[in-house]
Amino acid sequence: EVQLVESGGGLVQPGGSLRLSCEASGFTFSSNWMHWVRQAPGKGLEWVANIKQDGSEKRYVDSVKGRFTISRDNAKNSLYLQMNSLRAEDSAVYYCARDRDILLTNAWYDAFDIWGQGTMVTVSS
Amino acid sequence: AIQMTQSPSSLSASVGDRVSITCRASQYIRNDLGWYQQKPGKAPKLLIFAASSLQGGVPSRFSGSGSGTDFTLTISSLQPEDFATYYCLQDYDYPRTFGQGTKVEI
Repeated sequence: EVQLVESGGGLVQPGGSLRLSCEASGFTFSSNWMHWVRQAPGKGLEWVANIKQDGSEKRYVDSVKGRFTISRDNAKNSLYLQMNSLRAEDSAVYYCARDRDILLTNAWYDAFDIWGQGTMVTVSS
Repeated sequence: AIQMTQSPSSLSASVGDRVSITCRASQYIRNDLGWYQQKPGKAPKLLIFAASSLQGGVPSRFSGSGSGTDFTLTISSLQPEDFATYYCLQDYDYPRTFGQGTKVEI
């Protein structure tokens, strides 16, 4: 079964750190870009970061640049999000998602086709 | 960053209704747009990619159209399991950006 399972969420004080993990199974993890997406309670979805198959390219939303680091270990089929200097506004459910990266008529398209169940991060004193 | 504006933010409909949700990009995004469905407490689910391509396993009552800046998700005959929140996502440029969501209610 193709699946992603996140872990590592929890309660942390403002200014603290947390490391999220996402373990992949059922597919060749090293073949896909991977993303982190978050959703604050009662709010919409926000893309956070992504990473290329070999880890050589990483992109972030401006609000987390310099504080969050996305990484992966293809040997362990795992994606990570190191979150430092956490703020109350970082409180959210964090999802990892696989990018199917589809080629259609000579153009590449993202398609977040597999999602984890999410892990909750609460930043509060 | 490219802003994605969905409308309406919510709508009430009945089983069997034809429903359309629009998404407008603040700048040209070719057809680099996907649609996602999310039910309460669950992860989003991919419905449409490249503006109009149906993801495998998604019922054919879902369709997408548009290119450039204006896009539409249409549900041809609303089913009970379709009551959910729908999001568009542009993958033309970084940062990737979602619309604010459209809640489809009874």
